[in-house]
Amino acid sequence: GQQLNQSPQSMFIQEGEDVSMNCTSSSIFNTWLWYKQDPGEGPVLLIALYKAGELTSNGRLTAQFGITRKDSFLNISASIPSDVGIYFCAGRETGANNLFFGTGTRLTVIP
Amino acid sequence: DVKVTQSSRYLVKRTGEKVFLECVQDMDHENMFWYRQDPGLGLRLIYFSYDVKMKEKGDIPEGYSVSREKKERFSLILESASTNQTSMYLCASSVVGGSPQHFGDGTRLSIL
Repeated sequence: GQQLNQSPQSMFIQEGEDVSMNCTSSSIFNTWLWYKQDPGEGPVLLIALYKAGELTSNGRLTAQFGITRKDSFLNISASIPSDVGIYFCAGRETGANNLFFGTGTRLTVIP
Repeated sequence: DVKVTQSSRYLVKRTGEKVFLECVQDMDHENMFWYRQDPGLGLRLIYFSYDVKMKEKGDIPEGYSVSREKKERFSLILESASTNQTSMYLCASSVVGGSPQHFGDGTRLSIL
């Protein structure tokens, strides 16, 4: 199955800094999702995107569905220690029930 | 809130044993999924089911089977556990169409 290219693989940032990560695919998607996974827990949905160009916010998080439908971006503003975790992108092709996942971005926030 | 419950958070089994991982969801979702998660490899789909008694192979079905006798329950079976099946296993569910999947907390399985 397809594996999405997610970058960066890891980030070490200072508390208060902004964070950007992105995901690209080789095929066109009709859905992009962003999840966060805390240590020892399952992934939790952060943001869902369903239209090319769509920009959606959830508190300090903002995600965008790329115009080409082959990429998506997640930004976190003014990071705090509880932002620590692994962030996954996921995408779905038209008509499919299953998702393709990125390999994750591990975020560390230094107080 | 959607609740996906996996029967065990941690499990230790021996090589050759038959292992059952259970997953229950309480939102009447049609679709259910089993993934394994390994460092650097992300989430890989083992099997999914879009209806009772229906199943589809994912990307890595070898060594696994599944059972869906009731809509709310999806079981993953390791017929004869091997050490390379030591991993974190995640169950998820969703309604049909383009809706997001909701995950359980995972089962960390060790095969000795």
